[in-house]
Amino acid sequence: NAGVTQTPKFQVLKTGQSMTLQCAQDMNHNSMYWYRQDPGMGLRLIYYSASEGTTDKGEVPNGYNVSRLNKREFSLRLESAAPSQTSVYFCASSARDRTHEQYFGPGTRLTVT
Amino acid sequence: AQTVTQSQPEMSVQEAETVTLSCTYDTSESNYYLFWYKQPPSRQMILVIRQEAYKQQNATENRFSVNFQKAAKSFSLKISDSQLGDTAMYFCAFMKQPFQGAQKLVFGQGTRLTINP
Repeated sequence: NAGVTQTPKFQVLKTGQSMTLQCAQDMNHNSMYWYRQDPGMGLRLIYYSASEGTTDKGEVPNGYNVSRLNKREFSLRLESAAPSQTSVYFCASSARDRTHEQYFGPGTRLTVT
Repeated sequence: AQTVTQSQPEMSVQEAETVTLSCTYDTSESNYYLFWYKQPPSRQMILVIRQEAYKQQNATENRFSVNFQKAAKSFSLKISDSQLGDTAMYFCAFMKQPFQGAQKLVFGQGTRLTINP
């Protein structure tokens, strides 16, 4: 099993450009999440999807949109990138079990110039 | 809203020593879960240990153990017999009781731990 995969691993955008970060999991998890990690700060939740067909805002949703394409895939879209969105983006997934463990992807380093 | 505070931005110890990382949190919830995640230079987030708030017994995973003080809202991580491979950023994280499948983590700022040979 690959676990949680993310593409791309690195990306450089110019201000105003758009892009979509892709995430897929092969663990049959119901819930998926997008976090961002900035220097000196812990991860912060952008959006999450508790189950297929549902999405909800997290702590820092402004400037982002998401799509839960199916049970496996959860994408994050930046419509008009800004330098403040320079960050490392992590996707995670979890099962509805007693462990409450989230499994993270390897991250995408995004730079907006 | 819940907050998680890690007051030690950086720590450094010698190999084989014991080190304790501090974490405090603020919540009005009675049912919740606490986690320590490790992030090595590879950037991968790895779960180290978890604690359910309703359990009084402190969690232990091999060389890793926690000191959970619910009344003080404190959740420290102890690493015994530290190894070079323990060098990483360590994040404390809080999760309130999940509702309808949403398991939302709130992270602290992290502690950068260096194990010196």
